[in-house]
Amino acid sequence: AQTVTQSQPEMSVQEAETVTLSCTYDTSESDYYLFWYKQPPSRQMILVIRQEAYKQQNATENRFSVNFQKAAKSFSLKISDSQLGDAAMYFCAYCAGTYKYIFGTGTRLKVLA
Amino acid sequence: GAGVSQSPSNKVTEKGKDVELRCDPISGHTALYWYRQSLGQGLEFLIYFQGNSAPDKSGLPSDRFSAERTGGSVSTLTIQRTQQEDSAVYLCASSFDPSVSYNEQFFGPGTRLTVL
Repeated sequence: AQTVTQSQPEMSVQEAETVTLSCTYDTSESDYYLFWYKQPPSRQMILVIRQEAYKQQNATENRFSVNFQKAAKSFSLKISDSQLGDAAMYFCAYCAGTYKYIFGTGTRLKVLA
Repeated sequence: GAGVSQSPSNKVTEKGKDVELRCDPISGHTALYWYRQSLGQGLEFLIYFQGNSAPDKSGLPSDRFSAERTGGSVSTLTIQRTQQEDSAVYLCASSFDPSVSYNEQFFGPGTRLTVL
């Protein structure tokens, strides 16, 4: 069965510093998508970044980048120059096929001023 | 306002009562999804609608849960005879045709359900 594991329930980072959130997954599929979603206190899930498994190049969106290790089934999110507005729950998600997303249990990120 | 909207934002009910949660997807999105987010947990898939196809109900936890989507747009999730374990945030998402290789799901702000 496909599973997504986030082993860090909570992380803290000093403002302007860099933090890495971990995610591992299990699948027998060769083609799939991976996502990082941000959920601030407003509860609105916001897509931060996505990675297509067949692309070897790591995705980057401004201060957000991923380290995608397909063989290791690892998909970590790096946030550079952390800002107070980055404080939120971060969910890693996997999707193979058409529509079913499988989410991890989330990592709460605290940003310290 | 082009986002997914959900109502009510918060709902408090007594055990045993029925509740209805509403989701308005983004105009033009043919796919609609319901998820449940319990405290300390990730999002749990409940049900999926796509166009006029039969919905995928494989995630509904019990027969007390049902959902419908009228006219391919608005969806209502109904929970009958609510139990305390139903307390959670219920999130709705919509997307374009997921038969396309990639489809981003856009989420609403959710309904926080509290069963006393």
